[in-house]
Amino acid sequence: EPEVTQTPSHQVTQMGQEVILRCVPISNHLYFYWYRQILGQKVEFLVSFYNNEISEKSEIFDDQFSVERPDGSNFTLKIRSTKLEDSAMYFCASRGLADAYEQYFGPGTRLTVT
Amino acid sequence: GQSLEQPSEVTAVEGAIVQINCTYQTSGFYGLSWYQQHDGGAPTFLSYNALDGLEETGRFSSFLSRSDSYGYLLLQELQMKDSASYFCAVRVLNNAGNMLTFGGGTRLMVKP
Repeated sequence: EPEVTQTPSHQVTQMGQEVILRCVPISNHLYFYWYRQILGQKVEFLVSFYNNEISEKSEIFDDQFSVERPDGSNFTLKIRSTKLEDSAMYFCASRGLADAYEQYFGPGTRLTVT
Repeated sequence: GQSLEQPSEVTAVEGAIVQINCTYQTSGFYGLSWYQQHDGGAPTFLSYNALDGLEETGRFSSFLSRSDSYGYLLLQELQMKDSASYFCAVRVLNNAGNMLTFGGGTRLMVKP
């Protein structure tokens, strides 16, 4: 069964450093998402991406964040200058056109900012 | 904006039935989804309701009342492996593609 993959599974970085989290969505999906989950809290929407552009973003997704689909398979989230409060699990999700309501989540990248 | 309310924790015994409620306030409501998340795992889709009524998928059922801004997830014949967090999520129709706003999650503990 096709699945969303994410790398790395765990990233440790120092405050102020840039990080890039990578995702490979399911191959025939067209809508891509990033969510984050601070430990013990709810899943929070960050950004949605469709047709090579951001379609929606939350208040969390400020100028420090950016997303890119550099090729036909990868979907990346960049945090330019990490802060301690960016420590969280980051989930990528994708959605096809036919199954219009189900989002498929990747296993997540645990980001730890020290 | 959107807000969702669900109980923080529910405990039940193996073989029992449990209902997890979710009330929501939102504009642009399009449907209510339910996701399961085991500790350390990713959310996985369980069910979706766009119209009023009950949707059944095996041991799990989900209900929606749009007029009451209310839904619930019903889990029957509980098994130990059902111990997990369950999130309701509102699907909001925007210009491109259905962002999900999640509730705070309900931690279900199934005891023998």
